[in-house]
Amino acid sequence: GAVVSQHPSWVICKSGTSVKIECRSLDFQATTMFWYRQFPKQSLMLMATSNEGSKATYEQGVEKDKFLINHASLTLSTLTVTSAHPEDSSFYICSARVLNLPEAFFGQGTRLTVV
Amino acid sequence: SQQGEEDPQALSIQEGENATMNCSYKTSINNLQWYRQNSGRGLVHLILIRSNEREKHSGRLRVTLDTSKKSSSLLITASRAADTASYFCALYGQNFVFGPGTRLSVLP
Repeated sequence: GAVVSQHPSWVICKSGTSVKIECRSLDFQATTMFWYRQFPKQSLMLMATSNEGSKATYEQGVEKDKFLINHASLTLSTLTVTSAHPEDSSFYICSARVLNLPEAFFGQGTRLTVV
Repeated sequence: SQQGEEDPQALSIQEGENATMNCSYKTSINNLQWYRQNSGRGLVHLILIRSNEREKHSGRLRVTLDTSKKSSSLLITASRAADTASYFCALYGQNFVFGPGTRLSVLP
C-alpha cells in the first residue's frame, strides 16, 4: 500500500519556540493532505485540509497563524506550530489522499511535548 | 457536523468472544472506513465500505453499512488479546473526519 512518512516521530521543545512537522508521500502524489490533532484518550480532530499549491482550509477554532501549513509539492506538506505552548502538546497525524481515490493514507504521527 | 458518533465508548470482553462497535453519522458520505489505533501509536487501516455496499468481510472483521439509518457496525469475531486497541470510524465525504472511537479491551 501507499506509504506516508511523518517526521519527526516525537519532539520536545521549549515554550515559545516553533516546531515543524513534515509529512511525505513516498510512492504516490498526494493532491490533498489532512492534518489532525489527538489528545490522550480522544479521537482525531481535523485541523486543516491542504491542497497542493493552494492555501490550507482550517477547521473552526484552529488558529491559522499558529498552525502554519504548507503544501508546496505533491509529496510534501509541513505543519509548523509557532510559539508553542504546553497546551499544544499533543499527537499530530497527517494523512494524504490521491485525487479521486476514496482512501487516505496516514503517517505514524508526531508526539509533540512543549515544556 | 459530519463527525461520526460511536458506541460503546468502551468495551471489555473475554478472549474468544465477539466484539461489536457501532458508528452513526448525520450527513451523506462517499465511504466509511474503520481504523485501529494502539495506545500512543499511529492508525492502521482496517476496512473500507463504500456507500453503495452493505457488507464487507476481511478475515475476522465484518463491517455493515446502512445508509438509510446512517450507521455502520464493525464486528470482530473470536477476539484475541492482541485486538485490544481503540477503533475509529472515519467518514469520507467533503473531507475525512473521525468518530470518537471505541476502546476495546480483550481480556485473556
